[in-house]
Amino acid sequence: QKEVEQNSGPLSVPEGAIASLNCTYSDRGSQSFFWYRQYSGKSPELIMFIYSNGDKEDGRFTAQLNKASQYVSLLIRDSQPSDSATYLCAVTYNFNKFYFGSGTKLNVKP
Amino acid sequence: EAQVTQNPRYLITVTGKKLTVTCSQNMNHEYMSWYRQDPGLGLRQIYYSMNVEVTDKGDVPEGYKVSRKEKRNFPLILESPSPNQTSLYFCASSSLQGTSGQQYFGPGTRLTVT
Repeated sequence: QKEVEQNSGPLSVPEGAIASLNCTYSDRGSQSFFWYRQYSGKSPELIMFIYSNGDKEDGRFTAQLNKASQYVSLLIRDSQPSDSATYLCAVTYNFNKFYFGSGTKLNVKP
Repeated sequence: EAQVTQNPRYLITVTGKKLTVTCSQNMNHEYMSWYRQDPGLGLRQIYYSMNVEVTDKGDVPEGYKVSRKEKRNFPLILESPSPNQTSLYFCASSSLQGTSGQQYFGPGTRLTVT
């Protein structure tokens, strides 16, 4: 059973702080990794994907991948109240099957 | 507007009454997939399709059927729904060109089986 683990939270950070979201996965053959944001009552939307070890930055978001440790994280700099949502980590081995974590709820307090 | 549509958005039904949830995308995507989302369990993949007439099981296919007769449509069929299929269902599509693997999700269908 391939597993993707996330801390369910809630993770509370003050506005302007850095939010750090973490995800571990069990399948060493996983090739690509995704972070989706899901607002309450809405569908998931992609924030970032990463497939190489290291960091990938896109605006206020940085994804970090460490395949040796089977660990992927998402950093959100200068957190805003509009970032309050549930963040889903997803992994795939072959772009056929996708495995999602249960999500981390982030609260950004003004 | 590029989008994935699902119908119905909300459905309450009774055990054993066959139902179909439709999914359609207008982005000419090869890949389509169905997920269910339950509290504490995240999104779990039910079935996926790599192209027309090509479908395969995800992690939780029991009790569900799918078909892909046209590229844009990927209906989810529950032949004999049971209460444990009460859930929030999402359809998603993705292009197989490139390497991003980004999936575009529909708005969701909330199903209640009594």
